[in-house]
Amino acid sequence: GEDVEQSLFLSVREGDSSVINCTYTDSSSTYLYWYKQEPGAGLQLLTYIFSNMDMKQDQRLTVLLNKKDKHLSLRIADTQTGDSAIYFCAEETSGTYKYIFGTGTRLKVLA
Amino acid sequence: EPEVTQTPSHQVTQMGQEVILRCVPISNHLYFYWYRQILGQKVEFLVSFYNNEISEKSEIFDDQFSVERPDGSNFTLKIRSTKLEDSAMYFCASSEDLGTGTYEQYFGPGTRLTVT
Repeated sequence: GEDVEQSLFLSVREGDSSVINCTYTDSSSTYLYWYKQEPGAGLQLLTYIFSNMDMKQDQRLTVLLNKKDKHLSLRIADTQTGDSAIYFCAEETSGTYKYIFGTGTRLKVLA
Repeated sequence: EPEVTQTPSHQVTQMGQEVILRCVPISNHLYFYWYRQILGQKVEFLVSFYNNEISEKSEIFDDQFSVERPDGSNFTLKIRSTKLEDSAMYFCASSEDLGTGTYEQYFGPGTRLTVT
């Protein structure tokens, strides 16, 4: 069945780059998404990438997709304390509306 | 910026009671979803809804669950007879057909359901 995995924790210093990784199993994924969840808040859509792309840049965010290895990453440049949150990757597959979420990576930014 | 809203933010109920969780999706969106997140676990898909009917549901969404769009703005999730294991954060989401092939889902802040 479909499965999406992420490492649980990441700690970086303010100003450094953060790289959050995600692996998935479903080769029929069409779109892959990154969401941010701050404490007590909902899921905020950050960005997404179509499966036939290998990179997408949006201001401080860079998404890399290796479709062969089914590996997705989110790079946050110049990480700030306000970036501290849980980051979820999610996949959407052809013919379905549902998202399959990863476990979430808790990013802690140290001042 | 338009957003999805959910009420209540926290609901405490006794086992066996019925609960209704309410959501107001973004006004021009036509696709609606419920997900849940048990504490410390993944966000799990429950159901999607379009054109006044369920499009897809997961194995979690059994006969105890139902969804409804009672008017032009609300989208509700009803749990008929709550169990302890229904305790979770429930997220509502909505999306529109952008014609690009993607249905970016926008999530509400969630309702924390505690079953005692």
